[in-house]
Amino acid sequence: DAGVIQSPRHEVTEMGQEVTLRCKPISGHDYLFWYRQTMMRGLELLIYFNNNVPIDDSGMPEDRFSAKMPNASFSTLKIQPSEPRDSAVYFCASSPGTVYSEAFFGQGTRLTVV
Amino acid sequence: QKEVEQDPGPLSVPEGAIVSLNCTYSNSAFQYFMWYRQYSRKGPELLMYTYSSGNKEDGRFTAQVDKSSKYISLFIRDSQPSDSATYLCAMTSGGTYKYIFGTGTRLKVLA
Repeated sequence: DAGVIQSPRHEVTEMGQEVTLRCKPISGHDYLFWYRQTMMRGLELLIYFNNNVPIDDSGMPEDRFSAKMPNASFSTLKIQPSEPRDSAVYFCASSPGTVYSEAFFGQGTRLTVV
Repeated sequence: QKEVEQDPGPLSVPEGAIVSLNCTYSNSAFQYFMWYRQYSRKGPELLMYTYSSGNKEDGRFTAQVDKSSKYISLFIRDSQPSDSATYLCAMTSGGTYKYIFGTGTRLKVLA
């Protein structure tokens, strides 16, 4: 398996524009996570899905952020409208099942909003 | 106060040194503890996982949990330049996937 695949790797956009980040989890993994990483706040869980159903979105910073998982092999994180403070590295991760299972991270998408 | 505190470093050590990386936490309900390693421009990868208190060893790495002090440690013996990375601690109370991460400690092992 190629691991968790994220696209794009880098995204530069202007404030106010819509941004869509994409993720393909590892086949067979039931859990999918979206994280945001900044120097100040570290790695923060935004939302996670179990079998394509959102379970906990309490980490989503505000209504400008939305995430979907239409099927087991694809998820998106959308920011609309984007703001400079959204600049961060966004990671998608997937996990096979139990709480104690390793989460396998993708390479991340480095988002810069100017 | 953050739930998990971690010194950001950077921590620079000579090759072969013993490295000690630490996290403190405030939530006494945390039971599951993980250490992730993150190389520059990469995603984190799991190094060690421990449950409750005690020690766990895996090769050159030892993870230690002291729940009474709310303190966890990762020791790296015979450190190598390839160990240069950011080390993140993560923890949860169990029954939830909402792991709380530290901000990471950047380690540099000098050849």
